[in-house]
Amino acid sequence: GAVVSQHPSRVICKSGTSVKIECRSLDFQATTMFWYRQFPKKSLMLMATSNEGSKATYEQGVEKDKFLINHASLTLSTLTVTSAHPEDSSFYICSARGGSGVTNYGYTFGSGTRLTVV
Amino acid sequence: DQQVKQNSPSLSVQEGRISILNCDYTNSMFDYFLWYKKYPAEGPTFLISISSIKDKNEDGRFTVFLNKSAKHLSLHIVPSQPGDSAVYFCAVGQAGTALIFGKGTTLSVSS
Repeated sequence: GAVVSQHPSRVICKSGTSVKIECRSLDFQATTMFWYRQFPKKSLMLMATSNEGSKATYEQGVEKDKFLINHASLTLSTLTVTSAHPEDSSFYICSARGGSGVTNYGYTFGSGTRLTVV
Repeated sequence: DQQVKQNSPSLSVQEGRISILNCDYTNSMFDYFLWYKKYPAEGPTFLISISSIKDKNEDGRFTVFLNKSAKHLSLHIVPSQPGDSAVYFCAVGQAGTALIFGKGTTLSVSS
């Protein structure tokens, strides 16, 4: 089945530094990738949608200069949290669409990244 | 304004009984509806889905019902098992755009 690998699974960084999170589709080409953020005991909130080779589309309220998304190939998208602050601490999850899954409509999720900014 | 609502933050059920999780949505244009199970610090795990042209889909212990006129879907788990304890999210989508998630319902199944 379709597999999405997300790394790192957890990262601790100092305030003011940048952190990059990778999302790879291992056995399919992902035409579209989505980035979500989840606060404790809250829903998964869509941050942005990225299509290979084009600029990401950000949801309202998400700072595109702070959360840089690159989708340079059909199997890799990256989210870089720039100049991280403690309020950026959260659980980030990517989703790739393009697998052959019929029942899940082609949406496959990564295992998430726990970011802690100290 | 939430497009997807799960109004019950938590549900407690005894092992062997039925668990019913509910979800309401606002946009009649959604094409497909999915349920996910999630543990803390993990990605969501797909459980079951249903398209807008159906009203019921069954997979083992899991059944999803869709009432389009009421814009309501539900997930039935029977019999419930302690291993089913987790947070359950409903998600809706259309035309390949991003899935929109509800806030989740925490299911606790006691033995």
